[in-house]
Amino acid sequence: EAEVAQSPRYKITEKSQAVAFWCDPISGHATLYWYRQILGQGPELLVQFQDESVVDDSQLPKDRFSAERLKGVDSTLKIQPAELGDSAMYLCASSYTRDHGYTFGSGTRLTVV
Amino acid sequence: AQTVTQSQPEMSVQEAETVTLSCTYDTSESDYYLFWYKQPPSRQMILVIRQEAYKQQNATENRFSVNFQKAAKSFSLKISDSQLGDAAMYFCAYRSQGGSEKLVFGKGTKLTVNP
Repeated sequence: EAEVAQSPRYKITEKSQAVAFWCDPISGHATLYWYRQILGQGPELLVQFQDESVVDDSQLPKDRFSAERLKGVDSTLKIQPAELGDSAMYLCASSYTRDHGYTFGSGTRLTVV
Repeated sequence: AQTVTQSQPEMSVQEAETVTLSCTYDTSESDYYLFWYKQPPSRQMILVIRQEAYKQQNATENRFSVNFQKAAKSFSLKISDSQLGDAAMYFCAYRSQGGSEKLVFGKGTKLTVNP
C-alpha cells in the first residue's frame, strides 16, 4: 500500500538552530498538508499546498517557519531559529482530491533543547 | 471558526466489550464531513470512519460505527468487540464541504483495552 514518507523520524536540535523536515506524498496526490501536533493535543494545520502553490498558510509562524513544494511533489518544512516551544510532532499528509481522505505519514518528532 | 471537543481524555474497555467515545463540534455550516482517526503509539494516524453531514444514515465500518446527531452537533464512535489492537489515541475531526480542506481536530481520547 502506498505511503507518505517523512524523514527524519526523530530530530533533536538546540534552541536557535535551523531544522528541516522532508515529506514525499503518495504519487499523484496533488494536495499536501503539514500539521503540527503538540503533545496531548490534536494536530493543527500549518500549511496546505495544491501542487506547488500554497493554499493556506494562515497558521504558519512565518517569522521562523517556511515551507516549499517546488515541483509539486515532495515538500520541505524549515524552522529557523528553533525555539523550545517548537517541540512537537510534525505530520505530513496528502490527498488525491478533496473528496478523498487524507493519508498521513508517520511524522517527525522534534525535540528542541 | 469550527471547533471540535472531545470531553473524555482517557477511556478504558475490557477486551471483547463495547466502548463509546464522545465528540461534539461547533459550526454554522450545513454541509461538512466528520471523521474519526486512530493514532497508535509511535505510528501513523489512520482513518477509522467518515460521515457526510447530508447523510442521515450512520456510517459503519466493521466493528466501528458512529452515532451522528446533526441537530445536537454530536458525533460519537462506538467500538464493538474491542480488541487489544484498538488501543490508541482517537481523534475526532471536522472538515468543511467547501472552502478550506483542512481538518480541525479535537484533543483526542486515549483508549486503553484491558485483556
